[in-house]
Amino acid sequence: AQSVTQPDIHITVSEGASLELRCNYSYGATPYLFWYVQSPGQGLQLLLKYFSGDTLVQGIKGFEAEFKRSQSSFNLRKPSVHWSDAAEYFCAVGAGYNQGGKLIFGQGTELSVKP
Amino acid sequence: DARVTQTPRDKVTEMGQEVTMRCQPILGHNTVFWYRQTMMQGLELLAYFRNRAPLDDSGMPKDRFSAEMPDATLATLKIQPSEPRDSAVYFCASGLEGRVTDTQYFGPGTRLTVL
Repeated sequence: AQSVTQPDIHITVSEGASLELRCNYSYGATPYLFWYVQSPGQGLQLLLKYFSGDTLVQGIKGFEAEFKRSQSSFNLRKPSVHWSDAAEYFCAVGAGYNQGGKLIFGQGTELSVKP
Repeated sequence: DARVTQTPRDKVTEMGQEVTMRCQPILGHNTVFWYRQTMMQGLELLAYFRNRAPLDDSGMPKDRFSAEMPDATLATLKIQPSEPRDSAVYFCASGLEGRVTDTQYFGPGTRLTVL
């Protein structure tokens, strides 16, 4: 069965520092991978997604993610974090064809940004 | 700017009362998802629909929860009777075509407190 693991529950970085959030997935076929962000008191919003092609994908708000099949990973990165990036980040994998667009979400990583 | 809307945004009720949460998906979207988010369990998929038909409601406690789509513009989630353990934020999300590549668009959530 598909699964997603986000090993870090909580990360704190300084404003202006680089960021990498880890995501590992388990999926038998080609995965369809997503990163969503949830700001406090709001619903989730898509940051980026990967289906095929170039393994480095660009998203909104200056985020990017790299798909590494050999490591079953899809880590999210940002070169310079802003205070407004403080939020919870969710990695997800599509449940498969004929699943109506269902996603399997990881447990989330909460990002704190210190001045 | 098309958005998923949810009502009410906040609901406080007493144990044993019926609770109804409503969701208006983005016009033209044919899939609707209901999620529950708590600190302990994280984000859980309760049920989802495609073209108003339920695809999977295995995540929902059947004895007290029910989900319906009376028409394409309205999805409802009911809890009867409510219990304190149902306290959570309930999110609705919609997707365009129910494909594995779809983005899910989340509403702002309904924060439910059962006393």
